[in-house]
Amino acid sequence: KQEVTQIPAALSVPEGENLVLNCSFTDSAIYNLQWFRQDPGKGLTSLLLIQSSQREQTSGRLNASLDKSSGRSTLYIAASQPGDSATYLCAVPYSGAGSYQLTFGKGTKLSVIP
Amino acid sequence: GAGVSQSPSNKVTEKGKDVELRCDPISGHTALYWYRQSLGQGLEFLIYFQGNSAPDKSGLPSDRFSAERTGGSVSTLTIQRTQQEDSAVYLCASGMNTEAFFGQGTRLTVV
Repeated sequence: KQEVTQIPAALSVPEGENLVLNCSFTDSAIYNLQWFRQDPGKGLTSLLLIQSSQREQTSGRLNASLDKSSGRSTLYIAASQPGDSATYLCAVPYSGAGSYQLTFGKGTKLSVIP
Repeated sequence: GAGVSQSPSNKVTEKGKDVELRCDPISGHTALYWYRQSLGQGLEFLIYFQGNSAPDKSGLPSDRFSAERTGGSVSTLTIQRTQQEDSAVYLCASGMNTEAFFGQGTRLTVV
């Protein structure tokens, strides 16, 4: 069974800092890994998708890396802004049951202080 | 283009009543997922549809929950005889090649 862990559970940083969010997974046989953002009371917004053959993906101030062999991914946010405050979730497709349900971590709640 | 659309956005129902939640996926997406998120909790997998294959229902919490997907497009999640513990945000996602895009969710409150 795939398990996904995100550390830290919460993080508070002053505006302008660079920061790293961590995601680890127990089964390295993944197809890809996806990072999402969730604002309070809202759905999930897809940020980045890294295919299993890739080592990193970038979108604006966000950079996600993937190390399959060690079961880890990181999301790097450069020059953080108050608008980045949200919960960040990582997810991997799990095919153990013959389907490709996404297994999620519990998320990292980020607060960027002006 | 249009994203995943869920309706209603909010639903308040009395305990014991049946409810139906609707999900309109992104056109052409073959995969459709339902998740549940209780207050302050993580995402709980409910059911997964992929094309014409039999759905993965392994996450449905009880036989009061069911879902169907008509014509490979719109999906309806039905909860019969609702209980207070069913109160949560129900999230639908559609996708291709295991990349998922979520709707804004339906907030269900059972009173």
